[in-house]
Amino acid sequence: AQKVTQAQTEISVVEKEDVTLDCVYETRDTTYYLFWYKQPPSGELVFLIRRNSFDEQNEISGRYSWNFQKSTSSFNFTITASQVVDSAVYFCALSSTQGGSEKLVFGKGTKLTVNP
Amino acid sequence: DAGVIQSPRHEVTEMGQEVTLRCKPISGHNSLFWYRQTMMRGLELLIYFNNNVPIDDSGMPEDRFSAKMPNASFSTLKIQPSEPRDSAVYFCASSFKGTRTYEQYFGPGTRLTVT
Repeated sequence: AQKVTQAQTEISVVEKEDVTLDCVYETRDTTYYLFWYKQPPSGELVFLIRRNSFDEQNEISGRYSWNFQKSTSSFNFTITASQVVDSAVYFCALSSTQGGSEKLVFGKGTKLTVNP
Repeated sequence: DAGVIQSPRHEVTEMGQEVTLRCKPISGHNSLFWYRQTMMRGLELLIYFNNNVPIDDSGMPEDRFSAKMPNASFSTLKIQPSEPRDSAVYFCASSFKGTRTYEQYFGPGTRLTVT
C-alpha cells in the first residue's frame, strides 16, 4: 500500500523566515513519482513540482527548493524568505507507475501561515 | 491556454436530488481524474479515465455515484440521490499519460452543499 505522511498539520512563521515542510512516503514500488501541490485560500490546487524516483537531485526554483532522499523516503519542501503570499495548504503526493496506474495518493496537507 | 474547466462552481441542492458535475479537461490530455476533498478525509481519488475509458473506480463511494466520459473533452460525475454527507469540494484534473507519468492539472473545483 502507498502512503504519504505530512506530520506537520499547521506551521506559522513570520515573513522572511525560512520554512521546511516535511513529507515522508511509503511504497514498495521501485519506480514512482512524487509531487507537491499548493492550495491557496482561493481553493484551487496548483502544481509545483514532479520528481521521479530515479532522480535524487535537489531542485531549486526561485525561493522554493526540494530535497529528495530515497534513503529516508522523504521529499521535503523549503521556502526561503517566506512571504505572506506563500500562505496556503501544501500537499505532497505519490504516484506509483506499477501496472500503468496514474493514481495519486495525497498527504493530509500542511497549512502554512506567513504573518507580516 | 485554458486550464481544466468545471461547472458549476457552486451547487446547493436538497437531499434526494440528482446532482451532475461537469468537467472539460485540458486539450491534448488523455487522462481525467475526479477527486473529492473534505476536512475529514482530505483529497480522495474517486475515479479516473484514460482515453475515455474508466481505469480505476475503486474510490467511488457507492452506487449513488457514477461517472462518464463520452468523449475526450467532456466528463460528468453524477450523484443520485444526493445525501448531506456528499457535501464536499469536487475537483476534476487532467494529465497526459505517455511512457511516463506527468503531473495532473486541477480545475477550480465544484463546492457541493447538500441540505
